[in-house]
Amino acid sequence: AQRVTQPEKLLSVFKGAPVELKCNYSYSGSPELFWYVQYSRQRLQLLLRHISRESIKGFTADLNKGETSFHLKKPFAQEEDSAMYYCALRGYSTLTFGKGTMLLVSP
Amino acid sequence: DADVTQTPRNRITKTGKRIMLECSQTKGHDRMYWYRQDPGLGLRLIYYSFDVKDINKGEISDGYSVSRQAQAKFSLSLESAIPNQTALYFCATSDEAGGNTGELFFGEGSRLTVL
Repeated sequence: AQRVTQPEKLLSVFKGAPVELKCNYSYSGSPELFWYVQYSRQRLQLLLRHISRESIKGFTADLNKGETSFHLKKPFAQEEDSAMYYCALRGYSTLTFGKGTMLLVSP
Repeated sequence: DADVTQTPRNRITKTGKRIMLECSQTKGHDRMYWYRQDPGLGLRLIYYSFDVKDINKGEISDGYSVSRQAQAKFSLSLESAIPNQTALYFCATSDEAGGNTGELFFGEGSRLTVL
């Protein structure tokens, strides 16, 4: 079975503070991990995927197979980063999503 | 722009009624999905289809059925709606051709309230 755990329902930070949204997964094979984001009144959309090893909007995420984690990080949060963030795992054929973390960035 | 369109966007209905949510896409993708989103529970997969002749149950298929009428259309039905099916429903598509990874493209969602 594949499982994604996002332990925080809500993360509240001030503008300019570092952000880390946690994601842990359970999967017996070689996983593909993603972060999706849903801004207010917008569609859910892909933010980044681990195989690309890219930085999008200042966010990065490194796959740590030893700790089975794929935490999303940004050194300096911006107000426009406020959104719901979902970690997702593609194992056998479909995406399994975590329960999501709401990030609120205050001025 | 190629898009994923869901209808209706909002629906209020009563317990026991039959409801159909429709999804159409102009992206030319073979794979289509239905998820439901509940506060605190995230997105859960209801059904998915990898082509017109393929239908698969997801994590929470009980109480739901689907129909893949064409490559571009994938409908979700609730034969007899119940209040705990009140949720936000999302249709999504993906393209697996050419070794692409499974990025999902979502519709805007259909909010269903069952009284």
